[in-house]
Amino acid sequence: GAVVSQHPSRVICKSGTSVKIECRSLDFQATTMFWYRQFPKKSLMLMATSNEGSKATYEQGVEKDKFLINHASLTLSTLTVTSAHPEDSSFYICSAWDWGTQYFGPGTRLLVL
Amino acid sequence: DAKTTQPTSMDCAEGRAANLPCNHSTISGNEYVYWYRQIHSQGPQYIIHGLKNNETNEMASLIITEDRKSSTLILPHATLRDTAVYYCIVKSQDSGAGSYQLTFGKGTKLSVIP
Repeated sequence: GAVVSQHPSRVICKSGTSVKIECRSLDFQATTMFWYRQFPKKSLMLMATSNEGSKATYEQGVEKDKFLINHASLTLSTLTVTSAHPEDSSFYICSAWDWGTQYFGPGTRLLVL
Repeated sequence: DAKTTQPTSMDCAEGRAANLPCNHSTISGNEYVYWYRQIHSQGPQYIIHGLKNNETNEMASLIITEDRKSSTLILPHATLRDTAVYYCIVKSQDSGAGSYQLTFGKGTKLSVIP
């Protein structure tokens, strides 16, 4: 199946700093990518839909100014967590659709100290 | 999207078949049944999907009842590496290509026991 990668796989940062997470579709093009967040022992929750060449669509309750999304090419979407706080510590996962199936990245574990 | 109901947890002996049920009694005619699994600290992994007919691939088999109100994912010979949370998701593909997200429930935690 199609492959989605994420970088970094794990990041630790200080409170107040910004962190950028990359999501790439390695063997297919994706005009749309999705960003999910997962807290411990909870299920995945959609944060936003990233659209190539246009603005992202955010789910209710997700601050667009805090979670900046850029989808500059058909194979790359980035999520920047700005002014990170400890409550932003979570597992961030991206996904993209290819021929009727949605494929997920391996996830990025963010720890804000 | 139709709601799905799965058991919270299941155990399976290593080497035996794991049968994971899913109820989706409100499924509509254009909705597919997708199965994903998530191994601890990893992103969800696609397993299989189907509309009406039973499906089989190298990972699993999907059995969908004739009325489509329920389905069963079968892992024919479970190994310890199959221990994961398994998600059954119902989704239409009628939206524009690539424009739909998946909604995850709580899934079934499958524990494969030596």
